[in-house]
Amino acid sequence: DTEVTQTPKHLVMGMTNKKSLKCEQHMGHRAMYWYKQKAKKPPELMFVYSYEKLSINESVPSRFSPECPNSSLLNLHLHALQPEDSALYLCASSQGTGPKPLHFGNGTRLTVT
Amino acid sequence: QQQVKQSPQSLIVQKGGISIINCAYENTAFDYFPWYQQFPGKGPALLIAIRPDVSEKKEGRFTISFNKSAKQFSLHIMDSQPGDSATYFCAATAGNNRKLIWGLGTSLAVNP
Repeated sequence: DTEVTQTPKHLVMGMTNKKSLKCEQHMGHRAMYWYKQKAKKPPELMFVYSYEKLSINESVPSRFSPECPNSSLLNLHLHALQPEDSALYLCASSQGTGPKPLHFGNGTRLTVT
Repeated sequence: QQQVKQSPQSLIVQKGGISIINCAYENTAFDYFPWYQQFPGKGPALLIAIRPDVSEKKEGRFTISFNKSAKQFSLHIMDSQPGDSATYFCAATAGNNRKLIWGLGTSLAVNP
């Protein structure tokens, strides 16, 4: 079991639906990340929150909306997605500033129909 | 533009053998080089990491070798086991930059 918990594990949604992915960590980490991973590819960075403020947005389409309600929680709100958005969405956290190990959750497998 | 080049794309090793995965980079500002291991259906997990002030780091059966002048680093898995079968990613980053630059991954299969 990982120390970063993601829910749901699987999600199927239509292109007109609104859904949210949730991520929780209790390691006291102050940086949290959303990554997208396609099959047989490395993770692609989407967003970084540092001390609950959005610090990096990798030019992600506005149909993906991140939210960091507190230092332990990270959400990704999804709206009007496209089939090509189907992927594994990974949440990660890290401690402090500078290059630190990323602790990943096991992801949400998203399918957009 | 692939800033971290990883090879081979796939690797098959017999149980007990040595698995070697290589990575090369161009950006001399990179100063942190982690390796992540990912099993199917799971998120990546940090395996081992190195900074350029050391040439080698060993943790159990896993060793990173680092060649700063050649801008290359490699992962060696000694006494490879079927449980090591996974995808391995090398990565690099610079300073306080929270963005990891990832290699494309190596799918390792260890035959029993």
